[in-house]
Amino acid sequence: SYVLTQPPSVSVAPGKTARITCGGDNIGSKSVHWFQQKPGQAPILVVSYNDERPSGIPERFSGSNSGNTATLTISRAEVGDEADYYCQVWDGTSDHLYVFGGGTKVTVL
Amino acid sequence: EVQLEESGGGLVQPGGSLRVSCAVSGFTFSDYSMNWVRLAPGKGLEWVSYISGTSNTIYYADSVKGRFTVSRDNAKKSLDLQMHSLRDEDTAVYYCARVSLDYSTIDSWGQGTLVTVSS
Repeated sequence: SYVLTQPPSVSVAPGKTARITCGGDNIGSKSVHWFQQKPGQAPILVVSYNDERPSGIPERFSGSNSGNTATLTISRAEVGDEADYYCQVWDGTSDHLYVFGGGTKVTVL
Repeated sequence: EVQLEESGGGLVQPGGSLRVSCAVSGFTFSDYSMNWVRLAPGKGLEWVSYISGTSNTIYYADSVKGRFTVSRDNAKKSLDLQMHSLRDEDTAVYYCARVSLDYSTIDSWGQGTLVTVSS
């Protein structure tokens, strides 16, 4: 089945920019979605269809996708952005339909 | 407002069985496919199972195939996951999740229910 690879952790200073990568074979041909999950809470969608922001998500969150890498960018990082972030794609070529990356812990300090 | 509420989690011994359920409201349940997704301690999100709006199409992750059964009752607006032959590695928070209309992602999540498999 399709595999998505994320770095385990990313650190960023408050007010700076964090970039979280998601690697996959020709991922640029797929729609990539990004979820934020804080401890004890359900995940929330922060970027959908590579670069769209759902209603209520700050403009500081943006996404891109090309080649073998998709990227979630958090601009002007805030302490409240500390969370685990997961990329996700739909893999219609196998029975394992919904593929998540391993997750990236973002620390703002 | 879309609402998904899981129930039924708890402590179960290895080899045992447990049924978790999800009650939904705020949308036309039969129009949407549904997923179960879990989060094990210290691990990442893992997709577990998919069921279409009519229950005609069902998929499972390899890790649970043959042990878990997903079902839904559109009249009662409920989704179930019956789990058998539970293992330590099935310990996780289980989330009920609504699939987006184009099937590509998840657009709503419940708060989850904790299943602990331990002797």
